[in-house]
Amino acid sequence: KNEVEQSPQNLTAQEGEFITINCSYSVGISALHWLQQHPGGGIVSLFMLSSGKKKHGRLIATINIQEKHSSLHITASHPRDSAVYICSYNTDKLIFGTGTRLQVFP
Amino acid sequence: ETGVTQSPTHLIKTRGQQVTLRCSSQSGHNTVSWYQQALGQGPQFIFQYYREEENGRGNFPPRFSGLQFPNYSSELNVNALELDDSALYLCASTRGRGPGELFFGEGSRLTVL
Repeated sequence: KNEVEQSPQNLTAQEGEFITINCSYSVGISALHWLQQHPGGGIVSLFMLSSGKKKHGRLIATINIQEKHSSLHITASHPRDSAVYICSYNTDKLIFGTGTRLQVFP
Repeated sequence: ETGVTQSPTHLIKTRGQQVTLRCSSQSGHNTVSWYQQALGQGPQFIFQYYREEENGRGNFPPRFSGLQFPNYSSELNVNALELDDSALYLCASTRGRGPGELFFGEGSRLTVL
């Protein structure tokens, strides 16, 4: 069983739709990362959060440390948002979630 | 722009050869970690260095080795290449030792023929 579970695994949306990706983990952590990887590309860090909510442009990330759950929201989705979104946390190594493949169609 | 650069971006090797991949981090980023990502798979942790010492290792054989230098650069060396070593190799750096913001390089794509 993966230590970090994401849902859904795959997601398709029409341009403009509101997107939510969920992440659940099983251990106590101090911070969680949301990462983005475009097809064939490297990984970009979107957020690191320890509590509450962070917003960057159309992206919003929330975390509930007590419930061991985080969500990534994309408002007004766009085809350029098509990518794999990964949540992860640090122990003595980076533990990656299973990833959510998002495709946004025009 | 993450401030982390990897080289080379692409390379092709043959089975049995050796390869060195390089990563240059931002000044002050004392922790660097390396990951292998096979096509269509998630990243797998190879190892991590903090202040030039290995302080964590994933499930990779000893022919995967690394170095970190005082100038915040690091290397991943793979000996006796196998076909399954074909992958995207990513490095990531953070400031300090504990959890911190991650800065990834664009990766080095290795093809082993």
